[in-house]
Amino acid sequence: DSGVTQTPKHLITATGQRVTLRCSPRSGDLSVYWYQQSLDQGLQFLIQYYNGEERAKGNILERFSAQQFPDLHSELNLSSLELGDSALYFCASSAHSLAGGDIQYFGAGTRLSVL
Amino acid sequence: GESVGLHLPTLSVQEGDNSIINCAYSNSASDYFIWYKQESGKGPQFIIDIRSNMDKRQGQRVTVLLNKTVKHLSLQIAATQPGDSAVYFCAENKGGNQFYFGTGTSLTVIP
Repeated sequence: DSGVTQTPKHLITATGQRVTLRCSPRSGDLSVYWYQQSLDQGLQFLIQYYNGEERAKGNILERFSAQQFPDLHSELNLSSLELGDSALYFCASSAHSLAGGDIQYFGAGTRLSVL
Repeated sequence: GESVGLHLPTLSVQEGDNSIINCAYSNSASDYFIWYKQESGKGPQFIIDIRSNMDKRQGQRVTVLLNKTVKHLSLQIAATQPGDSAVYFCAENKGGNQFYFGTGTSLTVIP
């Protein structure tokens, strides 16, 4: 168990709809990262928050948005859903490693199916 | 985007043998690398990391080798066990907090 909690585990919805994915980072971690994993794209970085503020942006669509709340949990909002948005969405939080970098610890993911 | 590619999409090894999973990266500015293991239905799990000022780093049954000259990273797993069957990703970071992941190598351990 990584200590990162994601809900829900599965989401099934229809095109055009909006969904919210939730993530609670490990206790004490201030950073939250969101990734999308699809079969043909691998793990794609979407966005990072640090202590409530956006820190880095990756390949996140304008239809997607995220926020991090004062209690450090984060939500990823996906709107106007398309079939191609079907994927696994992972959240990660980070801790400093002995090697000098930031290790990301991943949650179990939310599987989104857009029908 | 950045290119972090894997030499082989699948790898099968006999239980007890050593496994070597390779990864090529394209950005010479990358200074930190991580190997992750992802089992079916789970999120990626940290295995081992290495900074660019090192050539080799060892963990429990795992070793990461970094060859900056040819921009190549490898993960060696000693005495591979059935529980090692998973998809392995390398990820590179060139500063800041963004990591770029390869598409992964699927390791199957044959009992």
